[in-house]
Amino acid sequence: ETGVTQTPRHLVMGMTNKKSLKCEQHLGHNAMYWYKQSAKKPLELMFVYSLEERVENNSVPSRFSPECPNSSHLFLHLHTLQPEDSALYLCASSQEDRGHEQYFGPGTRLTVT
Amino acid sequence: GENVEQHPSTLSVQEGDSAVIKCTYSDSASNYFPWYKQELGKRPQLIIDIRSNVGEKKDQRIAVTLNKTAKHFSLHITETQPEDSAVYFCAATSFGNEKLTFGTGTRLTIIP
Repeated sequence: ETGVTQTPRHLVMGMTNKKSLKCEQHLGHNAMYWYKQSAKKPLELMFVYSLEERVENNSVPSRFSPECPNSSHLFLHLHTLQPEDSALYLCASSQEDRGHEQYFGPGTRLTVT
Repeated sequence: GENVEQHPSTLSVQEGDSAVIKCTYSDSASNYFPWYKQELGKRPQLIIDIRSNVGEKKDQRIAVTLNKTAKHFSLHITETQPEDSAVYFCAATSFGNEKLTFGTGTRLTIIP
């Protein structure tokens, strides 16, 4: 359960705030992901980093800005969010040459007021 | 891109009965199909997966079947137990592609 950690677990922010979500993986993986999980919607892939290079940006608004300083850490910087951005944000990691299993973190429950 | 549809969205079964969840996919190049289980308030976790070179895979009470021609795959849970209550997500992707496309999820409730 401690392979992928996320902080904070809960976050309430106003639309004019700037905040960051942090993800850390302790599994030695080389790929990391950000997902958005909203009620009654599938898991929406936001960003993929492979070997610290961003390889996927799923048409995510620019108010979400990812950062991957090394293979163990992933950040999601948030600014001027909208209420519809309220959701559970999940981080995941995987090892590219060992199949596709993705290990998820516990998520950050974000509420935008 | 890939599109994955999942049915039903909710499913209630009596404890001890079987549960079946079905998914269809659109991209014939997809060749890897995992299933994730997400218990209330917890993270999704892989429970079983299947690659396109086999038609069925079983792990104790859980099995997955794949029909490549029809582009659908199913999760079967037999002898259901209360701890099977969760949301189940199917997904599809192809080798060399780290992007998983998920279905919308099925909330399974086991009735004691």
